[in-house]
Amino acid sequence: DVKVTQSSRYLVKRTGEKVFLECVQDMDHENMFWYRQDPGLGLRLIYFSYDVKMKEKGDIPEGYSVSREKKERFSLILESASTNQTSMYLCASNEKGRFYSPLHFGNGTRLTVT
Amino acid sequence: AQSVTQLDSHVSVSEGTPVLLRCNYSSSYSPSLFWYVQHPNKGLQLLLKYTSAATLVKGINGFEAEFKKSETSFHLTKPSAHMSDAAEYFCVVSDDQFYFGTGTSLTVIP
Repeated sequence: DVKVTQSSRYLVKRTGEKVFLECVQDMDHENMFWYRQDPGLGLRLIYFSYDVKMKEKGDIPEGYSVSREKKERFSLILESASTNQTSMYLCASNEKGRFYSPLHFGNGTRLTVT
Repeated sequence: AQSVTQLDSHVSVSEGTPVLLRCNYSSSYSPSLFWYVQHPNKGLQLLLKYTSAATLVKGINGFEAEFKKSETSFHLTKPSAHMSDAAEYFCVVSDDQFYFGTGTSLTVIP
């Protein structure tokens, strides 16, 4: 089974802090994704990566950046955390062939910015 | 571009009775379709997928879904609900990207 591991289940950070959310997958998937999930808004794509050092903006990239230095690891960075970034963050991966291969999700990181 | 409509935001059933969660999509292609389940404070788990093979797709935990191209629907069913089925369910369509429905919350009454 594919395992997608997010390093933290819960995080509390202060406004203005730089925040790193880490995600690791163990199935050698080419593609990795970061979503945020908010009540009433559903899942929204922040960034995705289709190869090491490659990335594409999703629907809501503002205030975020990403890093993919190794195939198995995809990091989401909040450059200067703000209260409106309080959310559930979900990492996912899938195989090459991209949108015909199902996404495999981690358990999520619930981030609170105070 | 695709869109996905989950017709019910909330469904309640009694334990042991059938479950029907409805999903319609708009598509100009032959998309891939998925159903996911999310339990509280967890990630999304794949229940089943349709990728242009058989129109009736069987998934995990007794769930199945039928792809009806003429109706652009992909409804999720289960013959007999269990308490552990209480969760949020998402219909997902993909072609050039993944499109998520807004979710259906399933309550199972003992």
